[in-house]
Amino acid sequence: GEDVEQSLFLSVREGDSSVINCTYTDSSSTYLYWYKQEPGAGLQLLTYIFSNMDMKQDQRLTVLLNKKDKHLSLRIADTQTGDSAIYFCAEKNTGFQKLVFGTGTRLLVSP
Amino acid sequence: NAGVTQTPKFQVLKTGQSMTLQCAQDMNHNSMYWYRQDPGMGLRLIYYSASEGTTDKGEVPNGYNVSRLNKREFSLRLESAAPSQTSVYFCASCRGGLGTDTQYFGPGTRLTVL
Repeated sequence: GEDVEQSLFLSVREGDSSVINCTYTDSSSTYLYWYKQEPGAGLQLLTYIFSNMDMKQDQRLTVLLNKKDKHLSLRIADTQTGDSAIYFCAEKNTGFQKLVFGTGTRLLVSP
Repeated sequence: NAGVTQTPKFQVLKTGQSMTLQCAQDMNHNSMYWYRQDPGMGLRLIYYSASEGTTDKGEVPNGYNVSRLNKREFSLRLESAAPSQTSVYFCASCRGGLGTDTQYFGPGTRLTVL
């Protein structure tokens, strides 16, 4: 079955870059997503990448996809304290109406 | 435009009590979802409704029932609550179909079962 894994915790200093990693098992994944969850709130979509792309950049966010290794990463440049949150990767398979989420990575940004 | 709303925000139940979590969306979305979030386990899908009039089991459906009341509303019912159902519950909706199809999430219901 589908499985999406992430490391649980990442700590960085303000101004540094953060890299959050994700691995997935379903080779049929068509879209891969990054969601952000701030304390006490629901999830909000940050960005997504189509499986035939290697990279997508959106302001401070860079998504890299290595389809061969089934590895997805999210790089946040110039990380700010407001970026402290839980980040979830998720995959979607063509034809399916549901997403499979990873366990989430808690990012802590210290001043 | 409220997006996805959930009620209540917090609830404490005793073992064996029943309750219904309400979810509504005003984006004319076809598909709706119920997830639970537990520490270190990410989001797990309980039930989903791909379109009005249909519901399907997700990864962890035991102990829950759902009703897709109309296109806007999708409720989750716990008939006999158990401590293992202590969790944060999220409702989500999306347009449905192929493509990127972003899921939009409600703010969550924090449920404690004693």
